[in-house]
Amino acid sequence: AQSVTQLDSQVPVFEEAPVELRCNYSSSVSVYLFWYVQYPNQGLQLLLKYLSGSTLVKGINGFEAEFNKSQTSFHLRKPSVHISDTAEYFCAVTKNQAGTALIFGKGTTLSVSS
Amino acid sequence: KAGVTQTPRYLIKTRGQQVTLSCSPISGHRSVSWYQQTPGQGLQFLFEYFSETQRNKGNFPGRFSGRQFSNSRSEMNVSTLELGDSALYLCASRLGQENTGELFFGEGSRLTVL
Repeated sequence: AQSVTQLDSQVPVFEEAPVELRCNYSSSVSVYLFWYVQYPNQGLQLLLKYLSGSTLVKGINGFEAEFNKSQTSFHLRKPSVHISDTAEYFCAVTKNQAGTALIFGKGTTLSVSS
Repeated sequence: KAGVTQTPRYLIKTRGQQVTLSCSPISGHRSVSWYQQTPGQGLQFLFEYFSETQRNKGNFPGRFSGRQFSNSRSEMNVSTLELGDSALYLCASRLGQENTGELFFGEGSRLTVL
């Protein structure tokens, strides 16, 4: 079965600083990888996804992530964060097989302060 | 286009009672998934329905059940509530069964068990 580990439960940063949220996964088969964001009192929203092809994936709000198969990682990055990026971020994985569930990591809380 | 709608948004129950939560997916979406979100365990997959059939089930006891109707609306039921069932229950819909598709989440139903 596949699993996801988000290495940091909380990441505090100052506004305009770069940020990296780390995600490692384990799976014995090929996977699809996703990052979702959850703002306070809201549901989750897709930031970006990796299905195949280029290992650098660009998403919404200036976020990007890099798929590294050898290190089984899918870290999320943003070169300059804003106060409005304060939220909880979830990495998720699913097998590239129809009908398999999307499994989420436990989340990373990004807190951006001025 | 209306998003995923979950009702009720908040509810309080006592141990031993049962609860039914409802989810209306985005129009045209045929797949509905349910997740339980708690501070300790994060997002845990409950089940997924497609065309009224349960396609996948997470590792939850039989007290947790669900169903999907012909109009794709879904309900989940928890019987004999326990304190540990207190959580945010999130419903998500997507167009079909494909794992590449984005999950669109509702804002959740927050259940408190006293």
